[in-house]
Amino acid sequence: DSGVTQTPKHLITATGQRVTLRCSPRSGDLSVYWYQQSLDQGLQFLIQYYNGEERAKGNILERFSAQQFPDLHSELNLSSLELGDSALYFCASSAGGAWGSYEQYFGPGTRLTVT
Amino acid sequence: GESVGLHLPTLSVQEGDNSIINCAYSNSASDYFIWYKQESGKGPQFIIDIRSNMDKRQGQRVTVLLNKTVKHLSLQIAATQPGDSAVYFCAENNAGNMLTFGGGTRLMVKP
Repeated sequence: DSGVTQTPKHLITATGQRVTLRCSPRSGDLSVYWYQQSLDQGLQFLIQYYNGEERAKGNILERFSAQQFPDLHSELNLSSLELGDSALYFCASSAGGAWGSYEQYFGPGTRLTVT
Repeated sequence: GESVGLHLPTLSVQEGDNSIINCAYSNSASDYFIWYKQESGKGPQFIIDIRSNMDKRQGQRVTVLLNKTVKHLSLQIAATQPGDSAVYFCAENNAGNMLTFGGGTRLMVKP
């Protein structure tokens, strides 16, 4: 158990809908990362938050957004869903900071199926 | 369980043999590297890491080798066991705390 929790574990929804994925980092970790893992593209970095502020952006679509709250949990919002958004979404956390630990601990993931 | 399902390169080894999984990284400025193991239906799990000022680091049954000249990373697993069957990813840190992951290699251990 990495200490990172994600809910829900599975999510099935229809095209055009909006969903919210939730992540709680390990105790004490300030950085949260979101990744998408689809069948043909491996692990793709989406976005990073550090202590409530956006730190880095990867290949995140404009239909997707995220935030990190004062209690450090994070939510990933996916809107106007398309079939191609079906994937595993992972959250990871690390101690973070410019000189902090680079090691990221991953949650169990949320399996999103768009029908 | 759920599988990653990628069309990954696959390494098939006999139980008890040693495994070597290779990875080429992209950025010569990367200063930190990690190997992750992902079992079916689970998130990636940290195995071992190495900083760019080192060539080799050993853990329990695993060794990571770093060749900065050719930007190559390898993971050696000694006495491979059925529980080692998984997809293995290398990742490099080249921008603050952001990791860039390789495509992964599927390790299959034959009993």
